[in-house]
Amino acid sequence: SQTIHQWPATLVQPVGSPLSLECTVEGTSNPNLYWYRQAAGRGLQLLFYSVGIGQISSEVPQNLSASRPQDRQFILSSKKLLLSDSGFYLCAWGRGPNEQFFGPGTRLTVL
Amino acid sequence: GIQVEQSPPDLILQEGANSTLRCNFSDSVNNLQWFHQNPWGQLINLFYIPSGTKQNGRLSATTVATERYSLLYISSSQTTDSGVYFCAVVFRGGSWGKLQFGAGTQVVVTP
Repeated sequence: SQTIHQWPATLVQPVGSPLSLECTVEGTSNPNLYWYRQAAGRGLQLLFYSVGIGQISSEVPQNLSASRPQDRQFILSSKKLLLSDSGFYLCAWGRGPNEQFFGPGTRLTVL
Repeated sequence: GIQVEQSPPDLILQEGANSTLRCNFSDSVNNLQWFHQNPWGQLINLFYIPSGTKQNGRLSATTVATERYSLLYISSSQTTDSGVYFCAVVFRGGSWGKLQFGAGTQVVVTP
């Protein structure tokens, strides 16, 4: 069966510091991978998606970037964090328009 | 614009009660999913249901794609059903696999 991991689970970072969040998927190959953010309140917003190694599409212009160095690894990064980057970051995998499955998330607080 | 609307925004139930959550969407979809977000933030897949009816234990869902709505039924609610329920869709013609979320329904089940 497929599993998706994210780390760290929680992170507190000062403004201006760098960020690296990691997501890995097991039990499947060539998945579509997604980064979503859930800010204060309930809504989730798609940040990035990837259909293959090195292929990244950005949905929202922002202070973040994503990379996919391996088939089942997806990384979310920032060179300098802003207060507005605080939130709950969720990684997901799926195939085409079909069902997506989410990881446990990383709760980021920028102070 | 393209939208996903959920109602009601909040729901308080007594244990054992039944309820219906609604999701309206503004355009044709390739994918519709229902999720339950637990207190730790994990998004639990409930149903992948772009059309038709499915049942899983005390939960069931119906999507009427031609009328652009989906319903999630919770029967004999339990305190463990508390949390936020999200509807999310992938619109046809949109970014590949991009899930667009509704604002969610916050459900509280009291003993």
